[in-house]
Amino acid sequence: QEQLVQSGSDLKKPGASLKVSCKASGYKFTDFTLNWVRLAPGQGLEWMGWINTNTGNPAYAQGFTGRFVFSLDTSVSTAYLQINSLKTEDTAIYYCARGRGVSRHYFDSWGQGTLVTVSS
Amino acid sequence: NFMLTQPHSVSESPGKTVTISCTRSSGSIASNYVQWYQRRPGSAPTAVIYEDNQRPSGVPDRFSGSIDSSSNSASLTISGLKTEDEADYYCQSYDSRNQVFGGGTKLTVL
Repeated sequence: QEQLVQSGSDLKKPGASLKVSCKASGYKFTDFTLNWVRLAPGQGLEWMGWINTNTGNPAYAQGFTGRFVFSLDTSVSTAYLQINSLKTEDTAIYYCARGRGVSRHYFDSWGQGTLVTVSS
Repeated sequence: NFMLTQPHSVSESPGKTVTISCTRSSGSIASNYVQWYQRRPGSAPTAVIYEDNQRPSGVPDRFSGSIDSSSNSASLTISGLKTEDEADYYCQSYDSRNQVFGGGTKLTVL
């Protein structure tokens, strides 16, 4: 069946870097866009941006420019979220979500989430 | 950017009906589709309504969605409430550049 499987939880120190993976299976990877969504403690879902799985072009939401990098390896149907210079406020669950529809507006399949904890 | 405003929490008894609102701050609610997602603790979000009023396969017809241009808002209605419906619910819509989530509504079924 169609699914997105993310890498496991991680604990990092402030200033370090982190890369979360999101592997797609059960469908043609390049047929749908891939979004990243953050859920910080006590807060709501926050859209971080998306990556065009055909061209590899990323687009970042306001507040997620600079330290956040979206990338792909289409040979293994996998998207990546890299966060550089980690801060304690980056502690959150990070989800990847497949986007469908003319405006990529319907997130019809989600990864299970990756808990990232940033603490000294 | 526009914002989507939801009530922080709602509660209702099993078997009853509850409606959760989602008001768009600028731009017409009817211009871009609205989706609704359910997130139970410890689980990933799943869609319960897409494109204003469509139910994904497997979502019971107790869940329905609508939009109201007069109030510039969308609504998620859950009828015949079950304890398993207790979760956080998020509306989501978009404009030409961004996807936007509402702040989420905690539904308590007691």
